[in-house]
Amino acid sequence: KAGVTQTPRYLIKTRGQQVTLSCSPISGHRSVSWYQQTPGQGLQFLFEYFSETQRNKGNFPGRFSGRQFSNSRSEMNVSTLELGDSALYLCASSLEMETPQFFGPGTRLTVL
Amino acid sequence: QQQVKQSPQSLIVQKGGISIINCAYENTAFDYFPWYQQFPGKGPALLIAIRPDVSEKKEGRFTISFNKSAKQFSLHIMDSQPGDSATYFCAARSGTASKLTFGTGTRLQVTL
Repeated sequence: KAGVTQTPRYLIKTRGQQVTLSCSPISGHRSVSWYQQTPGQGLQFLFEYFSETQRNKGNFPGRFSGRQFSNSRSEMNVSTLELGDSALYLCASSLEMETPQFFGPGTRLTVL
Repeated sequence: QQQVKQSPQSLIVQKGGISIINCAYENTAFDYFPWYQQFPGKGPALLIAIRPDVSEKKEGRFTISFNKSAKQFSLHIMDSQPGDSATYFCAARSGTASKLTFGTGTRLQVTL
């Protein structure tokens, strides 16, 4: 069974731009969560989606948003990029919301 | 507010030795405690997880010990191997939400 896939794997943007990251969960998984990983702040929860609905949101500004499609695929968007948004963005999927989460390889975003 | 404290930050163990990583939590609502292993350039991989109704869980060379009254849990890696060299994260989750709260990570190096 294929794992969680994330595209693109690497991305370079400049301040003020916006970016969209994509995540395809493991087949059959209906819950998708997003995390930001940085050396300074570690792994921080962004939001989770289940059945196309955002179920929980972390402590991030409104510039960070996401959505989930009917096939469980998810996208996250960051608008008006700041230097501090440079990070590894990780997507994790699980069968249901309370079941074990499996992570993808991440998208490395660099903001110049 | 850091809800999961992890120590040590880094650890060097000789091949064949026992690696021990500790975590402590504050939120008594947490009811699921996974450990993840992350190699450079990869996403975190689920290693082993425990719920507070058991005090110990073993899978191969990996063991979680859980102390509910002390609100602490630890990962023991027996017969540590150079291939175990990675960063390890403890995490915690409450209820039916997917959101994981992570520790700050422990960089393990297993020397020959």
